[in-house]
Amino acid sequence: SYELTQPPSVSVSPGQTARITCSGDALPKQYAYWYQEKSGQAPALVIYKDTERPSGIPERFSGSSSGTTVTLTISGVQAEDEADYYCQSADSSGTYRVVFGGGTKLTVL
Amino acid sequence: EVQLLESGGGLVQPGGSLRLSCAASGITFSNYAMTWVRQAPGKGLQWVSGIGGSGSSTYYADSVKGRFTISRDNSKNTLYLQMNSLRAEDTAVYYCAKSPVNIVVETGYYFDYWGQGTLVTVSS
Repeated sequence: SYELTQPPSVSVSPGQTARITCSGDALPKQYAYWYQEKSGQAPALVIYKDTERPSGIPERFSGSSSGTTVTLTISGVQAEDEADYYCQSADSSGTYRVVFGGGTKLTVL
Repeated sequence: EVQLLESGGGLVQPGGSLRLSCAASGITFSNYAMTWVRQAPGKGLQWVSGIGGSGSSTYYADSVKGRFTISRDNSKNTLYLQMNSLRAEDTAVYYCAKSPVNIVVETGYYFDYWGQGTLVTVSS
C-alpha cells in the first residue's frame, strides 16, 4: 500500500530554519499538503498544492517539491511553531484514497 | 465564518454501532466534498472516508470499508458517519473536515477547515 514517509522528529533553536521532509513514490504525480497540529487542537492547513500558502499563514512557512520528496520549510522558527506536522497526498493508482504521513514532531529548543 | 461541529461520540462496546454527525455553517454545504479523519490516542492522522458534494460518490479506507458508511444531508448542512461492528482499534478522535473542491477524486482534494473532533471509545 502507498505510504508517505516523514522523520519522527526535528529539533531546532528559535530563529533557525526547520525542514521537514515527506517522501512518497506518487508525489511527482500528486500534490502534497501540510497540516500543523498543536497540542489539544485540531489540525490546520499550512501549505497546499506543494507550495501555496493559505491566507493567514505566516510567510515563514513555505513548501517545495523535488521528485519523490516534498519539504516543509519554516524559516526563523518561533516557539509557537512547536507542533506535529503531517503531509498528505492521494493514492489514485487503484481505488482512490487519501494518505497521511506518519507525522513529524517539531521541537523548538 | 466556517464552522464544523461534530457530535455523537462516546463509549461503545466492541461490535456495537455509533453514528457521528458534523453540522456545517458559514458555507454553501453542497458545494464541497467532505471527509472524516481520525486520530487514535498518541498516534497520527488517518483518513477514514470521503464524500462528494452531491453525496453520490463515496470513498473509504480499507480498514473501515464494509463497516462504516459516510453520508450527507445537504438540506440540513450535515455530514454523517455510521459506524458498525466497532473494534477496539477504532478508538480515536474523529474529525470532520471540508475540502475546497466538490469532487473527491479531483486534483486538490485536501482539507481547509476542520472541526474540533469527537471522541469514540470502543471498550467493554
